[in-house]
Amino acid sequence: KNEVEQSPQNLTAQEGEFITINCSYSVGISALHWLQQHPGGGIVSLFMLSSGKKKHGRLIATINIQEKHSSLHITASHPRDSAVYICAVSRDDKIIFGKGTRLHILP
Amino acid sequence: NAGVMQNPRHLVRRRGQEARLRCSPMKGHSHVYWYRQLPEEGLKFMVYLQKENIIDESGMPKERFSAEFPKEGPSILRIQQVVRGDSAAYFCASSPGTRRRYEQYFGPGTRLTVT
Repeated sequence: KNEVEQSPQNLTAQEGEFITINCSYSVGISALHWLQQHPGGGIVSLFMLSSGKKKHGRLIATINIQEKHSSLHITASHPRDSAVYICAVSRDDKIIFGKGTRLHILP
Repeated sequence: NAGVMQNPRHLVRRRGQEARLRCSPMKGHSHVYWYRQLPEEGLKFMVYLQKENIIDESGMPKERFSAEFPKEGPSILRIQQVVRGDSAAYFCASSPGTRRRYEQYFGPGTRLTVT
């Protein structure tokens, strides 16, 4: 079993829909990251959080430390949000990555 | 404040050649991490370096791969005698220091293609 599990693996939605991507982890962590990777592109760090909730524009990230669970929400989704979203956790000196959720927003 | 810089962004090498990937951390950051993303796979940790020190290389293949972070200049990931299986995206990240090791900022990556 992977230490970081994401769901769903793939998600296709219509423009404007509210999107939720989930991440569960099984190890103790010092922080959780949400990253975005466009096809053929680099990695952009969206959020780093260790408790509570953070919001940036249409993106919201939450974490429940007791449940070892985090969610990434996208409100009013747009085709430019199409990308792979990666959940990763910081443990000691390393980051452990989930396999990513491939999101495709249809116009 | 420039972000993490990596170059080249794309690198093509023939089997048996050497590949050198460079990473310049964010200003003020003294810790560098290298990660590899194989096609259709997730990112995997390779090595963690501070200036002039390798802290953890547990993710590095035992042969042909080496990394350094000299006192001056960028961090270098070196792959000798490349093989097709080395084709991947290589990302580096930097962090401010010991107390904030978990706070990592990623570079745009170098895509290595071995022909």
